[in-house]
Amino acid sequence: GAVVSQHPSRVICKSGTSVKIECRSLDFQATTMFWYRQFPKQSLMLMATSNEGSKATYEQGVEKDKFLINHASLTLSTLTVTSAHPEDSSFYICSARDPSGESYEQYFGPGTRLTVT
Amino acid sequence: DAKTTQPTSMDCAEGRAANLPCNHSTISGNEYVYWYRQIHSQGPQYIIHGLKNNETNEMASLIITEDRKSSTLILPHATLRDTAVYYCIVRVNFGNEKLTFGTGTRLTIIP
Repeated sequence: GAVVSQHPSRVICKSGTSVKIECRSLDFQATTMFWYRQFPKQSLMLMATSNEGSKATYEQGVEKDKFLINHASLTLSTLTVTSAHPEDSSFYICSARDPSGESYEQYFGPGTRLTVT
Repeated sequence: DAKTTQPTSMDCAEGRAANLPCNHSTISGNEYVYWYRQIHSQGPQYIIHGLKNNETNEMASLIITEDRKSSTLILPHATLRDTAVYYCIVRVNFGNEKLTFGTGTRLTIIP
């Protein structure tokens, strides 16, 4: 299947700083990518839908000014956690669908574990 | 999207078939049943999906009841690497419809 990568895989930052997470589709072009957050022992929660060349669509309760999403190319979406706090510590996962394929399954990245100290 | 109900956890002996049930009694006629799994600290992995016919691929089989109100994912010969959380999701197949994850079933393969 299609491959989605994320960078970095792990990041530790101090409270108040900003962190950028990259999501790349390696062998296909993705007009839409999705960003999820997962706290320990919980399920994945969709944060936002990232659309290439336009603004992201955020789920209810997700602060768009805190979680900045940029989808500047068909293979790259970035999530920036601004002014991070310890409660933002979580596992962040992106996904993308290959629009050239016949099926509609989404391919997920390996995730980025963010720890805010 | 319609909601799904899955058992919280299941155990299965290595080498045996693992049968994971899912209830989706409010599924709509145009909604597909998707299965994903998530191994610890990794991103979810697509397994299989279907509309109303049974489906089989190299990973698993999907059995959907005739009324489509429930389904079963079958891993024919479970290995230790199949230990994961398995998510059953129903969704329509158009455009970039988002996935809504429930709590899933934590499957543990016992040596």
